[in-house]
Amino acid sequence: AQKVTQAQTEISVVEKEDVTLDCVYETRDTTYYLFWYKQPPSGELVFLIRRNSFDEQNEISGRYSWNFQKSTSSFNFTITASQVVDSAVYFCALIPPSGTYKYIFGTGTRLKVLA
Amino acid sequence: EAGVAQSPRYKIIEKRQSVAFWCNPISGHATLYWYQQILGQGPKLLIQFQNNGVVDDSQLPKDRFSAERLKGVDSTLKIQPAKLEDSAVYLCASSLDRGAGAGETQYFGPGTRLLVL
Repeated sequence: AQKVTQAQTEISVVEKEDVTLDCVYETRDTTYYLFWYKQPPSGELVFLIRRNSFDEQNEISGRYSWNFQKSTSSFNFTITASQVVDSAVYFCALIPPSGTYKYIFGTGTRLKVLA
Repeated sequence: EAGVAQSPRYKIIEKRQSVAFWCNPISGHATLYWYQQILGQGPKLLIQFQNNGVVDDSQLPKDRFSAERLKGVDSTLKIQPAKLEDSAVYLCASSLDRGAGAGETQYFGPGTRLLVL
C-alpha cells in the first residue's frame, strides 16, 4: 500500500525558532518521487521541492532544508529561523512510478508562527 | 509566466442547485487535474486529463460530477445537483507532460471555495 503520514496535526512556534515537519511514507516501489507543498490561508498549494528516490542528498534552500532518509522512509522538512509568513499548512506527497502518477497526499501539518 | 487560473474564487449555492468551475492551466502543460479538498484534509484527485482525454476519473462521483477539457486547454468541472457534502475547495493543477517525465511536478491554482447550504 502507498501511504503518507504526517503525524503532527498542528505545531506552534515563536518567530525565529527552528521547526521540523515530519513526513513518513510507505511504498514498495524502489523508484518514487516525494514532494512538499505549502498552502497559505489564500488556499493555493505552492510547490516547494521535488525529490526522487535515488537522490538521498539533503537539500537546503534559504531557510528551508529537507532531510531524506530511505532507511526510515522519511522526508522531513525544517524551517530555520521561522517567520510569521511561514504560517501555513504544509503537505507532503508521494508519487509512485506506475499508473497515472497520482499524488498521494498526507493530511498536512498546520504551522503557526507567533510574533 | 502566468500560473494556473481558476474562477470563481468563491461560490455559495443551495443544495440541489448546479455549479461550474473553470480552470486555465499553465501554457503548454498537457496534463490537467481537478482535486477536491475538504477542510482539514489533503487534496483528493477527482479527474486527470492528458490533453483532452481522460486518464483517471476513478474517484469522480459520476452521478453528479462531470468535467470536460475541450481543445486540450481550459477545463470545466460541474456539479449537478450539489449536496451538502460537496462543500470544499476545488483545486485545479497542471503539469508539463505525464509521459516524458515520471513524477512531474504539479502546479496548483488558487482554488474555488464552494459552500453548499
